Amino acid sequence: QKEVEQDPGPLSVPEGAIVSLNCTYSNSAFQYFMWYRQYSRKGPELLMYTYSSGNKEDGRFTAQVDKSSKYISLFIRDSQPSDSATYLCGGGSNYKLTFGKGTLLTVNP
Amino acid sequence: DVKVTQSSRYLVKRTGEKVFLECVQDMDHENMFWYRQDPGLGLRLIYFSYDVKMKEKGDIPEGYSVSREKKERFSLILESASTNQTSMYLCASHGSPTETQYFGPGTRLLVL
Repeated sequence: QKEVEQDPGPLSVPEGAIVSLNCTYSNSAFQYFMWYRQYSRKGPELLMYTYSSGNKEDGRFTAQVDKSSKYISLFIRDSQPSDSATYLCGGGSNYKLTFGKGTLLTVNP
Repeated sequence: DVKVTQSSRYLVKRTGEKVFLECVQDMDHENMFWYRQDPGLGLRLIYFSYDVKMKEKGDIPEGYSVSREKKERFSLILESASTNQTSMYLCASHGSPTETQYFGPGTRLLVL
């Protein structure tokens, strides 16, 4: 079993939709969790990261971690065409990160 | 803001050439990383360094070496490039354990 599993999509939604991106993980040693956004042919850009179970909100983005079920989610409210990108989830322990393979999201105007 | 820069955005090299990819970070981070990213395979760790002149192998070090002579600079070396090293190469740096990694813009390498 991969340490971080992520549905690769692709996911296509209309502008304004609520998007839910999900990952599961198996490594109980993960101390923190993160979401990166990667536009085509660019490097990953840190979107959110969190240490604890529960929700963390930043504007239209909410990251949710449930350590008991080893589930990581990212919710995007009022999605925009500019949100079209690949989203990478991951978990980290000290300096070592493990990533999912990414979900390709397209938001259609 | 953390700034991680990579020397080239695009590179085209011939099989057998020696290739240098350079990465510089401006945040005085001790830890630096090299990944490659391929469709369907995600991000895979090649090497990392936790201090000047220190290095550790990642998950796929074969065919690569690294150099860290200064804290801000981490180089990835392909001793003899092969076509299966065609990929997107990403450098990252990491500060304290309470932070996470910051990536550079990537270098797309094509080996012909």
